[in-house]
Amino acid sequence: GAVVSQHPSRVICKSGTSVKIECRSLDFQATTMFWYRQFPKQSLMLMATSNEGSKATYEQGVEKDKFLINHASLTLSTLTVTSAHPEDSSFYICSAREPGHPNGNEQFFGPGTRLTVL
Amino acid sequence: GQNIDQPTEMTATEGAIVQINCTYQTSGFNGLFWYQQHAGEAPTFLSYNVLDGLEEKGRFSSFLSRSKGYSYLLLKELQMKDSASYLCAGPYNTDKLIFGTGTRLQVFP
Repeated sequence: GAVVSQHPSRVICKSGTSVKIECRSLDFQATTMFWYRQFPKQSLMLMATSNEGSKATYEQGVEKDKFLINHASLTLSTLTVTSAHPEDSSFYICSAREPGHPNGNEQFFGPGTRLTVL
Repeated sequence: GQNIDQPTEMTATEGAIVQINCTYQTSGFNGLFWYQQHAGEAPTFLSYNVLDGLEEKGRFSSFLSRSKGYSYLLLKELQMKDSASYLCAGPYNTDKLIFGTGTRLQVFP
């Protein structure tokens, strides 16, 4: 149980275009999902907390107009990188918490999306 | 503040024992998680300590001292496949996880 998927796994786009990344909880409903980015040889940096049916909560320094998050259902959150630039190239990972899990705060991670902006 | 520190890199020999430390200075943490992450992959759960003390799970054990803001992950009988990054993370305000800097472990034959 507690499987999280992400799509696409890899994307290459031109500078100035927008890219949408999907995060799905496959076998449970997730009221809360999280979006991270990870640069090479660095740890995960939390970008935002995605709440079903309400606005996302962004971490300090993350531009909400650039990284649009939509959590329209209990199993799907999307991250759209708008007007992508080469410095947005990174590994984007989503996660979700499973309600009622014994380790209440444990997060289950998607496989990640490698974004390359040319 | 929420600072979680780990050594950046460690090396060890196959079959040996290695201890990866994690120190944190923060309030609001409710226990500590350890995750393993192979390059280019998602983190996978290793352990969660909510109380002080040592928890053993096969070749991996994790220790927590809340009063000292200190945790460690102990890996025994190291195997080549244990070469990965190990991330400690604190659940902050019962919601989000704050990750440490991560420790890249390289196991040599």
